[in-house]
Amino acid sequence: EAGVTQSPTHLIKTRGQQATLRCSPISGHTSVYWYQQALGLGLQFLLWYDEGEERNRGNFPPRFSGRQFPNYSSELNVNALELEDSALYLCASSSGTFYRGAEAFFGQGTRLTVV
Amino acid sequence: DQQVKQNSPSLSVQEGRISILNCDYTNSMFDYFLWYKKYPAEGPTFLISISSIKDKNEDGRFTVFLNKSAKHLSLHIVPSQPGDSAVYFCAASAGGGADGLTFGKGTHLIIQP
Repeated sequence: EAGVTQSPTHLIKTRGQQATLRCSPISGHTSVYWYQQALGLGLQFLLWYDEGEERNRGNFPPRFSGRQFPNYSSELNVNALELEDSALYLCASSSGTFYRGAEAFFGQGTRLTVV
Repeated sequence: DQQVKQNSPSLSVQEGRISILNCDYTNSMFDYFLWYKKYPAEGPTFLISISSIKDKNEDGRFTVFLNKSAKHLSLHIVPSQPGDSAVYFCAASAGGGADGLTFGKGTHLIIQP
């Protein structure tokens, strides 16, 4: 069974541009989470999508947005890129909430570099 | 304000011995805790979890202990193996994961031969 897949693996953008990152969850998983791991920091929660809807977002500005498609894949868009947006962006999927013991399974990440 | 803290950035343990990774949290609303392992250039891999209604959970070589009164959890790996060398993240969840997981900064475990 395929795991969570993210594309691209690496992305280099210029300050002010837009970046689009993609995530395909494990088959059967309806929840997708996005996290940012900046250098020297732990993973910071960005966005949660479930059944096509944005359920919650972390403490990030509105230029971080995304969507979830009917097939449960997801896209993260970062507009007006800033140098500090350079980070590893991780996507995770789960089949339910953690109360039900459904752990989140992570992709390998997209390394975004803003120059 | 860091709600999940892993105060040891790195830990070196001899192969065959016990590895103990520690994690402290401040948010009393956390009710589910997880440990993830991460190799370079890979995403974190789920290891083991524990609900706040338990104080211990075992899975093979991995055991997680939860001390709610101290807001402390630990991961024990026995015996430690070379393949265990990785970064370990402690994570916590409240209210069914609506706010995602809150992660610590990780502890780099090095298993020495």
